Amino acid sequence: GEQVEQRPPHLSVPEGDSAVIICTYTDSATAYFYWYKQEPGAGLQLLMSVFSNVDRKEEQGLTVLLNKKDKQLSLNLTAAHPGDSAVYFCAVTQGGSAKLIFGEGTKLTVSS
Amino acid sequence: GGIITQTPKFLIGQEGQKLTLKCQQNFNHDTMYWYRQDSGKGLRLIYYSITENDLQKGDLSEGYDASREKKSSFSLTVTSAQKNEMAVFLCASSIENAEQFFGPGTRLTVL
Repeated sequence: GEQVEQRPPHLSVPEGDSAVIICTYTDSATAYFYWYKQEPGAGLQLLMSVFSNVDRKEEQGLTVLLNKKDKQLSLNLTAAHPGDSAVYFCAVTQGGSAKLIFGEGTKLTVSS
Repeated sequence: GGIITQTPKFLIGQEGQKLTLKCQQNFNHDTMYWYRQDSGKGLRLIYYSITENDLQKGDLSEGYDASREKKSSFSLTVTSAQKNEMAVFLCASSIENAEQFFGPGTRLTVL
């Protein structure tokens, strides 16, 4: 079945720098892609969703790139600030089902 | 907007105990999910339900039961808690195959 690898597991950047998180998936038929943010002690907050016919999506300082040829999904936080410190997860749908397959998460620390 | 409520927020149990976690959503979503999150790991699907009284097994269903009593609520039962088990259980809901919205989680500790 579908597998998702996420890297890096930990990422530290100074305030104002960009942070990039990458996920690699295996099923070329994957249709929907998501990025979630989890702050300490909280559930997952949806950041962005992308359908497979989109290569690039930008919203509020976040850029998601989808490279279907390499089966790679990335999240770029431009000009990160300390409030962005959290764990970030990518997730993809498995086939045509409702099931999401999650990456293992990236703990981002933004220092001021 | 809507909200997902999970109770209890913290759950402490004894080895072998049967423990029940509850989830309520007011999005009017058809599909609800239960995930387990272990420290430093991603989420693994335990059960999901696409409508009232429906149940579908996820990748981690062994050791758990679930019940979709009505559209707005989905319960998860740990059938026999394992000693030293610690995890966060996250409930989510969605419309069909669209993006999932998550509750704040129930933190389980087994003594």
